[in-house]
Amino acid sequence: AQSVTQPDIHITVSEGASLELRCNYSYGATPYLFWYVQSPGQGLQLLLKYFSGDTLVQGIKGFEAEFKRSQSSFNLRKPSVHWSDAAEYFCAVGASSGGGADGLTFGKGTHLIIQP
Amino acid sequence: NAGVMQNPRHLVRRRGQEARLRCSPMKGHSHVYWYRQLPEEGLKFMVYLQKENIIDESGMPKERFSAEFPKEGPSILRIQQVVRGDSAAYFCASSPGRNTEAFFGQGTRLTVV
Repeated sequence: AQSVTQPDIHITVSEGASLELRCNYSYGATPYLFWYVQSPGQGLQLLLKYFSGDTLVQGIKGFEAEFKRSQSSFNLRKPSVHWSDAAEYFCAVGASSGGGADGLTFGKGTHLIIQP
Repeated sequence: NAGVMQNPRHLVRRRGQEARLRCSPMKGHSHVYWYRQLPEEGLKFMVYLQKENIIDESGMPKERFSAEFPKEGPSILRIQQVVRGDSAAYFCASSPGRNTEAFFGQGTRLTVV
């Protein structure tokens, strides 16, 4: 069975500092991996996705993620965070490369707090 | 083009009542997915529907829960005889096809008192 682990429930980062959110997955086949962001009271927005090719994926809002098969990880990074990045971040693994939402397995999320 | 619309945004029901959650997909989208987010948990897949068909309901509880996506109108997630454990945020997503990016709505937060 597929699973996703986000080890950090909360992370606090100073505005302007770099960010890395961890994600580890378990999946029997080639994984399709996603990062979503959920701002307070909002739905989920897709930040980026990986399904093949270059292991460093660029997303929206200045985010990137690196797929490391040997470590079963797909960590999300941003070089310099902004106060507006404060939100809940979810890593997910799915069965379809296009990002279709059938059968997505989500992690429990990491709550990002930005300090002034 | 409006996004995925869910209503109501907040719903309070007493134990034993019925809850009806509605989801209007984005224009041109014929695939709908429902997810549930329990407190302190990630989203859990419930059901995947196309117009008038249930494609995958492997995540739906066997009792009290049902979903439909009629030819006309929104998709409905129906919970009969609600219990406190049904309190959660219910998210709907839609996509134009199965293997295409899905877009999520803002969710309906159900509270059972």
